[in-house]
Amino acid sequence: DAKTTQPNSMESNEEEPVHLPCNHSTISGTDYIHWYRQLPSQGPEYVIHGLTSNVNNRMASLAIAEDRKSSTLILHRATLRDAAVYYCILDPGAQKLVFGQGTRLTINP
Amino acid sequence: GAGVSQTPSNKVTEKGKYVELRCDPISGHTALYWYRQSLGQGPEFLIYFQGTGAADDSGLPNDRFFAVRPEGSVSTLKIQRTERGDSAVYLCASSLVLHSGANVLTFGAGSRLTVL
Repeated sequence: DAKTTQPNSMESNEEEPVHLPCNHSTISGTDYIHWYRQLPSQGPEYVIHGLTSNVNNRMASLAIAEDRKSSTLILHRATLRDAAVYYCILDPGAQKLVFGQGTRLTINP
Repeated sequence: GAGVSQTPSNKVTEKGKYVELRCDPISGHTALYWYRQSLGQGPEFLIYFQGTGAADDSGLPNDRFFAVRPEGSVSTLKIQRTERGDSAVYLCASSLVLHSGANVLTFGAGSRLTVL
């Protein structure tokens, strides 16, 4: 399974943008890049996914490097409710998703 | 229902007992996944079903763990002769494969299993 590398933890302030990095140097040409997040005492929640182009949705933006070996999840204006563990995952399509340790994001008021 | 439902939400059992955990996926989702999550760790894949059949059971840790999905909807994860190391949150997810081919999972809240 292709692996991703994320920082163990990050900290940001409320109402500021947050950039969560992910390295996936062994990504294959057909792997989708997915981001999920897990709030305390809940199951993981889908955030966004992309293949080659940058993507935006109501929750976040996903910036994908031109060589696809890294990506960045962008929360444009963090709130206290965004405090969670964020997982970057490669999806080969219609198969299991393998979660790593993720990045624990702390938001300071 | 609107989401993935898991029961029970909490289960406390004694070492050596048998446990069943149930997952009711989103209607129309053909794929169903089981993960388990220990404290401070990411979810660990156990098994996934495509319809009624197990498409990948490579994550089941040993033969004490078994899962079924007889009618392609509800699934039951069965754990025999439970051990203290089985204590974890067991997560179920169902998925819809998008037209693009990407696989988006919707998770339930999990069943917390404690083996004393």
